[in-house]
Amino acid sequence: DTEVTQTPKHLVMGMTNKKSLKCEQHMGHRAMYWYKQKAKKPPELMFVYSYEKLSINESVPSRFSPECPNSSLLNLHLHALQPEDSALYLCASSQLAGVGYNEQFFGPGTRLTVL
Amino acid sequence: LAKTTQPISMDSYEGQEVNITCSHNNIATNDYITWYQQFPSQGPRFIIQGYKTKVTNEVASLFIPADRKSSTLSLPRVSLSDTAVYYCLVVNTGGFKTIFGAGTRLFVKA
Repeated sequence: DTEVTQTPKHLVMGMTNKKSLKCEQHMGHRAMYWYKQKAKKPPELMFVYSYEKLSINESVPSRFSPECPNSSLLNLHLHALQPEDSALYLCASSQLAGVGYNEQFFGPGTRLTVL
Repeated sequence: LAKTTQPISMDSYEGQEVNITCSHNNIATNDYITWYQQFPSQGPRFIIQGYKTKVTNEVASLFIPADRKSSTLSLPRVSLSDTAVYYCLVVNTGGFKTIFGAGTRLFVKA
């Protein structure tokens, strides 16, 4: 199974809502990533987890809160978002982080719209 | 991390070989060069990665000259389904960051 799954596929939320994005992989990977991608732009790294510990937080606002409950699961909790946070949120995993050979497997993304 | 520069867009015809060159002048000794492909509304897909000389897999080849300041992704005999955005990245051993370049939009015409 070389698949990264993400739920939901689409999410519309108001600025006062609290929601969560979920990502799952069963490839035994020990590194998981969250990216944000705006239209016609490259993915931007948000967070990196290595062995379930947060290794990188790319100065992401606190309204985004990542969580890695176990090695297969990655969540992104959303609270008090702004309309400019509307984007495609991508999850990825790789065998390890911080190594030269680093093939990341991406999920299909969650299309988030903040009203 | 080394910054990458690649053409914004390229056009090609079906059956042709396409070469996309990426510049990474500040590449470090421990850096690897990686390419991803992305279709609209999908996550990127790993194509190939290399450190030096030439790497080939079932879908592409990657040419890296001795100074490693640039690299060329070669797609043999492209088809319409190869229309996508291609990203060149430099991945650092020991670091956790993955920084995507701006990408090259390849449009394959019939």
